[in-house]
Amino acid sequence: EADIYQTPRYLVIGTGKKITLECSQTMGHDKMYWYQQDPGMELHLIHYSYGVNSTEKGDLSSESTVSRIRTEHFPLTLESARPSHTSQYLCASSQNRGGWETQYFGPGTRLLVL
Amino acid sequence: SQQGEEDPQALSIQEGENATMNCSYKTSINNLQWYRQNSGRGLVHLILIRSNEREKHSGRLRVTLDTSKKSSSLLITASRAADTASYFCATVQGGSEKLVFGKGTKLTVNP
Repeated sequence: EADIYQTPRYLVIGTGKKITLECSQTMGHDKMYWYQQDPGMELHLIHYSYGVNSTEKGDLSSESTVSRIRTEHFPLTLESARPSHTSQYLCASSQNRGGWETQYFGPGTRLLVL
Repeated sequence: SQQGEEDPQALSIQEGENATMNCSYKTSINNLQWYRQNSGRGLVHLILIRSNEREKHSGRLRVTLDTSKKSSSLLITASRAADTASYFCATVQGGSEKLVFGKGTKLTVNP
């Protein structure tokens, strides 16, 4: 079982609200990722970080922002939630071992914006 | 951009039967990985096969890789109801450190 945690697990919120999805890992991994996944669909990388103070946008454009102030913590923020943000958000981490990437995933946050 | 493409999209079998899922990809890769996702959960890493390997086993799992055809297969032998999940292949493309996931195969194992 991976030591990576996400809160909340489920969130129902109204349009226009600011939300922060929390992700933390206790494995000391340098790399962390946020994916967006609609039901029955593939994962899309929206943000990643290779270490403290490093953040990059992923392959799928997202209105969310991230920060990496501590190694273990990689929160994702939506300043003004919209129904189009309804999705599942998965956080992952990895420790590059000789170039072979195995990612460890949190349980996900299911977001519903009304 | 999507790299892996799993086939079939959905598969339903009886307990005890074998399940085979295929993955095709487009560009050169460093390695290919298979993950499992139970409904409403995060992904769990199953197995990694390097580009210079052709076959790998882990318990009831058998993975093959054919780089000439840019394809991989995942075989689950003697399936159990607990194997019901979605299975994703993911590739690390040459020169990149990012994983790119396919759309997944939804496997249902009926008791």
